[in-house]
Amino acid sequence: DSGVTQTPKHLITATGQRVTLRCSPRSGDLSVYWYQQSLDQGLQFLIQYYNGEERAKGNILERFSAQQFPDLHSELNLSSLELGDSALYFCASSRGTYQETQYFGPGTRLLVL
Amino acid sequence: GQQLNQSPQSMFIQEGEDVSMNCTSSSIFNTWLWYKQDPGEGPVLLIALYKAGELTSNGRLTAQFGITRKDSFLNISASIPSDVGIYFCAGQLQYGNKLVFGAGTILRVKS
Repeated sequence: DSGVTQTPKHLITATGQRVTLRCSPRSGDLSVYWYQQSLDQGLQFLIQYYNGEERAKGNILERFSAQQFPDLHSELNLSSLELGDSALYFCASSRGTYQETQYFGPGTRLLVL
Repeated sequence: GQQLNQSPQSMFIQEGEDVSMNCTSSSIFNTWLWYKQDPGEGPVLLIALYKAGELTSNGRLTAQFGITRKDSFLNISASIPSDVGIYFCAGQLQYGNKLVFGAGTILRVKS
């Protein structure tokens, strides 16, 4: 158990819909990262937040957005969903923001029908 | 963007055999990490390497940070059935904390 929690574990929805994935980092960690894992693209970094502020952006679509709240939990919002958005979405957390080991949560499996 | 080339793509080995996998990149990384992922779970950190040339062990696992900072390898000695899973290398760039992942090596162990 990494100490990072993610909900829900599974999500099935339809194209065009919007969903919110939630992540609680390990106790004491200030950074949260979101990754997408799909069969064709592998594990891809989406976005990082540190202490409530966006710190780094990766291959995140404009239809996707994230935020980190004062209690440090984070939400990833996916809108106008397409079939190709079906993937595993992982959250990871670390103490700080530079050269810090990241610990991954169990992931949310999203299926868009 | 940065890419990591991980090989082999998959391995099917006999229990007790040693395993070796590696990652190479055209980019220089400040940190190399090796993760293992079991089905339905998130990646779990196995070994983290922070200095070029560093050789680090974790039980039966040994990993090295290449001297050029563009490659790393992971060795598993005397494999056992619970070693089955997908192994990912990941590199961390000089600035920031973003991880770049290899495509993974699927390891199957025949007992």
